[in-house]
Amino acid sequence: AQSVTQLGSHVSVSEGALVLLRCNYSSSVPPYLFWYVQYPNQGLQLLLKYTTGATLVKGINGFEAEFKKSETSFHLTKPSAHMSDAAEYFCAVRGSYNQGGKLIFGQGTELSVKP
Amino acid sequence: DARVTQTPRHKVTEMGQEVTMRCQPILGHNTVFWYRQTMMQGLELLAYFRNRAPLDDSGMPKDRFSAEMPDATLATLKIQPSEPRDSAVYFCASGPGTSGRTTDTQYFGPGTRLTVL
Repeated sequence: AQSVTQLGSHVSVSEGALVLLRCNYSSSVPPYLFWYVQYPNQGLQLLLKYTTGATLVKGINGFEAEFKKSETSFHLTKPSAHMSDAAEYFCAVRGSYNQGGKLIFGQGTELSVKP
Repeated sequence: DARVTQTPRHKVTEMGQEVTMRCQPILGHNTVFWYRQTMMQGLELLAYFRNRAPLDDSGMPKDRFSAEMPDATLATLKIQPSEPRDSAVYFCASGPGTSGRTTDTQYFGPGTRLTVL
């Protein structure tokens, strides 16, 4: 069965610093991988997704993620954090056929940005 | 700017009462999802529909929860009777369903925050 582990429930960075949010997945089939962001009191919004093709995926708001099969990772990065990036970030993997092909979400990582 | 809408945004009720949450998916989207988010369990998929037909409701407690799509513009999630452990934020999401899979981008509504006393 597919699963997702996000390392670190809370990450704090200074404004202008590199953002790195870690996600490792488990999948018995080629994975489809997603990053979503949730701002306070809002629903989730897709940042980016990897299905096939180029392993470096660029998303909205300057975020990108790299699919590394050998490391079973899909870490999210942004070169320079803005205060507006403070939010919760969720990594997700498409579930297996037995899981109905639905998205399996990680537990989330809360990103804080210090001035 | 097309959005998923959910009503009510907040609901406080007493244990044993019926709760109905509504969702209007983005026009033209044929897949609809219901999620529940809690601090303890994170984000859980309760049920999803394609072309108004339920495809998977394995995440939903069947004895008290029910999900329906009376028409293409309305999805409902009902809890009867409600219990304190149902307190959570319930999200609806819709997707274009072009590939017929849940891998299509899902567009989330703002959620209904339910508190059961």
